[in-house]
Amino acid sequence: AQSVAQPEDQVNVAEGNPLTVKCTYSVSGNPYLFWYVQYPNRGLQFLLKYITGDNLVKGSYGFEAEFNKSQTSFHLKKPSALVSDSALYFCAVLSGGFKTIFGAGTRLFVKA
Amino acid sequence: NAGVTQTPKFQVLKTGQSMTLQCAQDMNHNSMYWYRQDPGMGLRLIYYSASEGTTDKGEVPNGYNVSRLNKREFSLRLESAAPSQTSVYFCASYRSLEKSSYNEQFFGPGTRLTVL
Repeated sequence: AQSVAQPEDQVNVAEGNPLTVKCTYSVSGNPYLFWYVQYPNRGLQFLLKYITGDNLVKGSYGFEAEFNKSQTSFHLKKPSALVSDSALYFCAVLSGGFKTIFGAGTRLFVKA
Repeated sequence: NAGVTQTPKFQVLKTGQSMTLQCAQDMNHNSMYWYRQDPGMGLRLIYYSASEGTTDKGEVPNGYNVSRLNKREFSLRLESAAPSQTSVYFCASYRSLEKSSYNEQFFGPGTRLTVL
């Protein structure tokens, strides 16, 4: 069965410091991986995706993610965090062409 | 484009009441989805419609029904609401597979449902 794990419920980081939000996956075949962000009282918004090609994927708002096949990971990163990055982040994998499986989410808190 | 719209934004029901959540998208997407979001559980798929005229059960379909009214609209019905259905409900749409281009989903703003 395909699955996604986000091992941290919350990540705390100081503004200006680099941030990492972790994600590991279990899929059969090629993984199609996504990161979404959810701000309070809003729906999810797409940040970036890995389909094929370069292992480092760049997305919206300065975020990037590194695909690591050997470690089955797809960690979200940003070189310098902003207070406005504080939100709930979801890792997801596309399963069977139509269904997306989401992780439980990681709350990012950036302190000024 | 409005993207994905949902009505209502908030709803309070009593146990046993029924209601329908409405969702519409104006992006000409083929696939539409209903999720529920509960604290610590991420998003769980209730039902989805891969294309107009088809619907399929997701991870947690019990207590719900859906209708894909046309390509734009996908409604979710609670026939007899229960407190366990208190949640935030999100509708999403997806363009579907086109020439190996795997696309992201677009989400509506959500409906906050409380069942007393």
